[in-house]
Amino acid sequence: GENVEQHPSTLSVQEGDSAVIKCTYSDSASNYFPWYKQELGKRPQLIIDIRSNVGEKKDQRIAVTLNKTAKHFSLHITETQPEDSAVYFCPLTGRRALTFGSGTRLQVQP
Amino acid sequence: DTEVTQTPKHLVMGMTNKKSLKCEQHMGHRAMYWYKQKAKKPPELMFVYSYEKLSINESVPSRFSPECPNSSLLNLHLHALQPEDSALYLCASSQESRDYGYTFGSGTRLTVV
Repeated sequence: GENVEQHPSTLSVQEGDSAVIKCTYSDSASNYFPWYKQELGKRPQLIIDIRSNVGEKKDQRIAVTLNKTAKHFSLHITETQPEDSAVYFCPLTGRRALTFGSGTRLQVQP
Repeated sequence: DTEVTQTPKHLVMGMTNKKSLKCEQHMGHRAMYWYKQKAKKPPELMFVYSYEKLSINESVPSRFSPECPNSSLLNLHLHALQPEDSALYLCASSQESRDYGYTFGSGTRLTVV
């Protein structure tokens, strides 16, 4: 069936370093690839998304890249800051509503 | 208005109580959702409303009863809950039910005693 695999499950970086989180999906029909951030005790928030007709999208320090051939897309965060510490999700999209996997817990050490 | 508003923010209820959670959006979104989130777990989909009709029920126990009175409002009626139902209940909305970003509310933190 359809699924999304996200790696790594936890990531610890020093402030100022870059962080990369990768998701691999199985459904060739997927056209929409969002990333959500959830800080501790807060709501999930859409931080960036990309559609299948675009290979890369950037918004200030965050970017998403899509490789449709390899069926993976990645979140890139540059110059990380302590406020980037959160859980990041690449939920399964497609026929049903968003389905969240376990996510990646990013810790930015000051 | 670009927000989803949920009330109440916190709720403590006994196992014999009946209560309702409310969710409101004025972004013209036609799809609305209820998710349940336990501590340190991802949000779990419960219900999806599309154009005010229930389109997905993820085999949720009948003690949870959703209602969509109009395109801006979504309720979740609670009755005879169990302590294990204690969780953060998140409402979300989107333009359509697939391939659009969701806007989440801040959630209702429910404790069943």
